[in-house]
Formats: sequence, C-alpha cells, structure tokens
Amino acid sequence: DGGITQSPKYLFRKEGQNVTLSCEQNLNHDAMYWYRQDPGQGLRLIYYSQIVNDFQKGDIAEGYSVSREKKESFPLTVTSAQKNPTAFYLCASSTPSNEQFFGPGTRLTVL
Amino acid sequence: DQQVKQNSPSLSVQEGRISILNCDYTNSMFDYFLWYKKYPAEGPTFLISISSIKDKNEDGRFTVFLNKSAKHLSLHIVPSQPGDSAVYFCAEGVFQGAQKLVFGQGTRLTINP
Repeated sequence: DGGITQSPKYLFRKEGQNVTLSCEQNLNHDAMYWYRQDPGQGLRLIYYSQIVNDFQKGDIAEGYSVSREKKESFPLTVTSAQKNPTAFYLCASSTPSNEQFFGPGTRLTVL
Repeated sequence: DQQVKQNSPSLSVQEGRISILNCDYTNSMFDYFLWYKKYPAEGPTFLISISSIKDKNEDGRFTVFLNKSAKHLSLHIVPSQPGDSAVYFCAEGVFQGAQKLVFGQGTRLTINP
C-alpha cells in the first residue's frame, strides 16, 4: 500500500540530546514537508523539500535540521538548540498540484 | 499575527444536523484553500479543497464556501454523523513548486447522538 510512515510513534529524549525522526514515503512524491503541532495551535512548517538534495526553511526552522538524500526519505533532526522540542511532529508529501498526504506523526517528549 | 484564523476552538452539534466550521484569512494572495480532518494521535487527512477562482465546492456531505470579499471560508457538513467528530483544520495554499500551506488553529467538532 502506498503511504507515508513515520517512526517511532512515541519518542523520549533527555534534555540536551539530538534526536532524529524518520519519514519515508512510497508515493513517488517529489515534495516532502515537516510540521510541528502544539496543543491548541495549527500545524507550523519546519522544513520542506521540493526535490532530492534540496530543502528550504519553513516558518520555525531554528533548532532543526533535515536531509534529503533519497526521494523516499526526509529525516528530521531535533537538535539540542531547539528550546521547546516537546510536540507532535508530522511529515507530509505531495505532488506539485495535489493535496499533501500526512504520516501518522511522532510524539516527541523531552524529559 | 495569525494569517489563518479559526476563531471557534470547539463546536458541538447534534447528529443529523448541519455542522458549520469557519475560517478567516488575511492574505489575499492564495491559490486555494484546503480542509483537513484530524483524529487524536494521527496525521491529518485531506477532506476537500477550493480554488481561489471558485466560491463553492461540494463533495458528498461536505461543501466548502469561499467569500473573498469577506475573506471568509466555511465548511458545511450535512447531515453530521458521529464519525465526523474530530479536529478540523483549514489551510491556505500557494503553488510555489512545493505547496506552502498555512494552517489555522483547528476547531474540535463533537457530534452528539
């Protein structure tokens, strides 16, 4: 089945540690995105990538990094520089003219 | 300042009645709007969209209305069903190679039996 997978579903990290969230899609979509959702807020764009080996900062990129070495994969690293990393992280992908499809999300909790 | 606003954090509707979810926006330079539905601990799923050149789009029980003069968007669900209980997000989009979406804060819809 085509879709987007994110792993793990729940992730815990100690303060000061970097952590990488996985996002894989087999939809053959060129564009991929990372969002963050906090309680009572909409989704906010962290980073996006239009094609392999290219990515751009979204609205809240500070403290995050990404890579796009393969079309299918767009991992997000939450670094120790991110001041409030506890959130629900969502990955999405799309073709240029169609709606974005979202993965199931990863809930990151910093202890 | 919030570019896309959903001013009602929650809405409660009786099963079988009409649910109306509202969204206001400030930026007129958009290409389309989308509505997404989200259950807890899951990713949003696409519901319906509307192009900036239209004022209405209908898909089964779901209809989206766009009032560009008022910068207002609404989603009508009729008849409402228990499975419609979820958080609904509106999102404004612009075609820029990748789609840069700006989301509202979401409205939690509860359908009461």
